[in-house]
Amino acid sequence: DAGITQSPRYKITETGRQVTLMCHQTWSHSYMFWYRQDLGHGLRLIYYSAAADITDKGEVPDGYVVSRSKTENFPLTLESATRSQTSVYFCASSGQGLNYGYTFGSGTRLTVV
Amino acid sequence: GQQVMQIPQYQHVQEGEDFTTYCNSSTTLSNIQWYKQRPGGHPVFLIQLVKSGEVKKQKRLTFQFGEAKKNSSLHITATQTTDVGTYFCAGPGSSGSARQLTFGSGTQLTVLP
Repeated sequence: DAGITQSPRYKITETGRQVTLMCHQTWSHSYMFWYRQDLGHGLRLIYYSAAADITDKGEVPDGYVVSRSKTENFPLTLESATRSQTSVYFCASSGQGLNYGYTFGSGTRLTVV
Repeated sequence: GQQVMQIPQYQHVQEGEDFTTYCNSSTTLSNIQWYKQRPGGHPVFLIQLVKSGEVKKQKRLTFQFGEAKKNSSLHITATQTTDVGTYFCAGPGSSGSARQLTFGSGTQLTVLP
C-alpha cells in the first residue's frame, strides 16, 4: 500500500547506537502503531498513537521512544540499541470509522550487531 | 491480560485440500480481524467481524465469529498456491481501546502443488 511508507527497509547498527525508524502515511489516519515481529512471538505492540501529540505504551515499550508532532509521521527511536531489538518493525495506521482494520507498511528489518 | 490463541501453528496441505485455522480469546471481543502475511511481506487486512455468530465469505475464504464472541475461524476451500502465507487473527487489547490490537501467533500455511 503506497499510502504508508517505512524507511529504511533494512538497517544494520551497532549495539549502543541510537536508531530512528520512520513511518509516514498519507491518509490522515488518526491512529498509528508500531509493532515488532519476531519468530516465536508474532506481532507485539510497542507504542501507539490516537492522534498528534497523543501516544501510549503497548506491550513491549522498554528501550523505545516515539513522537507524533504531525498526524502523518510516527517515528520510532531506539535510544541505545541492543541485540534483543533485532527484529522486523512494522508501522500501521487505522482510520476513525467503524472499520478498525490496520494498513501496514512494508516493514524495516533491523539488525543490531 | 487479554490473550489471543491461534491453532494450528503450522499446516501443510496439498493443493485443492481445505484449510482451517482457529482463534480463541480469553475474553469477549468487540470485534475480530483477520490478516494474511505472505512470506517476506507485511500483514494485509482481510476482514473484520463484529456480530455474534457472524459469517462472511470472500470467494474461497469463509470467516466465522463465535456466538460468545470469544472465538473465530478462517476456512479456505480448495487451497491454491496463492494461499501460501501466515494467517493472523487479532482482537482489541486489554486496554479497552478497540483500536489497539492483540495478534494471535498466526498459522503458517504451506500449499504443496
